[in-house]
Amino acid sequence: QAGLTQPPSLSKGLRQTATLTCTGNTNNVGYQGAVWLQQHQGHPPKVLSFRNKNRPSGISERLSASRSRSTASLTITGLQPEDEADYYCSAYDRSLDAWLFGGGTKLTVL
Amino acid sequence: QVQLVQSGAGVQKPGASVEVSCKASGYSFRNYYMHWVRQAPGQGLEWMGKINPDGVGTTYGQNFRGRLTITRDTSTNTLYMELSSLTSKDTAVYYCARETGTFGIEFDYWGQGTLVTVSS
Repeated sequence: QAGLTQPPSLSKGLRQTATLTCTGNTNNVGYQGAVWLQQHQGHPPKVLSFRNKNRPSGISERLSASRSRSTASLTITGLQPEDEADYYCSAYDRSLDAWLFGGGTKLTVL
Repeated sequence: QVQLVQSGAGVQKPGASVEVSCKASGYSFRNYYMHWVRQAPGQGLEWMGKINPDGVGTTYGQNFRGRLTITRDTSTNTLYMELSSLTSKDTAVYYCARETGTFGIEFDYWGQGTLVTVSS
């Protein structure tokens, strides 16, 4: 089944800004937006942003989510070493009645 | 506090079935959708399916229809996942995750993950 498209990798310097993208279509990302998750090696995923672009409590204000048509974005400002992780987007697809995940982006903080 | 504690699995033989459980605590289990998501070694996340709060409605991902069964027991606050006809491609860490069903609160808590290894 069709998935969501994320760049496999992104490298940015310490204290720089990273923007991660997730592209779908009008039936998923373009329908109700995307969830953003962070995963460190050996740990379960942790939600960073819900489909309504709100952050769960405890998630840094350095993170912000947005959407333009069928592309969702997660922007992380002031990159810190602990931001180095894998980032996944997920969206509900109304045509498939299924949740989809992107392939993930590995963010490296130099 | 909300906890999802998984158990089960280990090494399974090809062709066998495996059951993984996920015990919920710290919230009203009967009010939440529950999902299973898996991650093969070195790979990304793959949605497997979900079960409605009523325990009757289930939705399975296309790749799992016919061999995945998700159930829940509200008396013990436990979610179950059974996957049959295992092959080496099913070797993965399996996660449970909850969802309110309300737009804007999705996948907010996850289990710790359970490794299933399929090997003869």
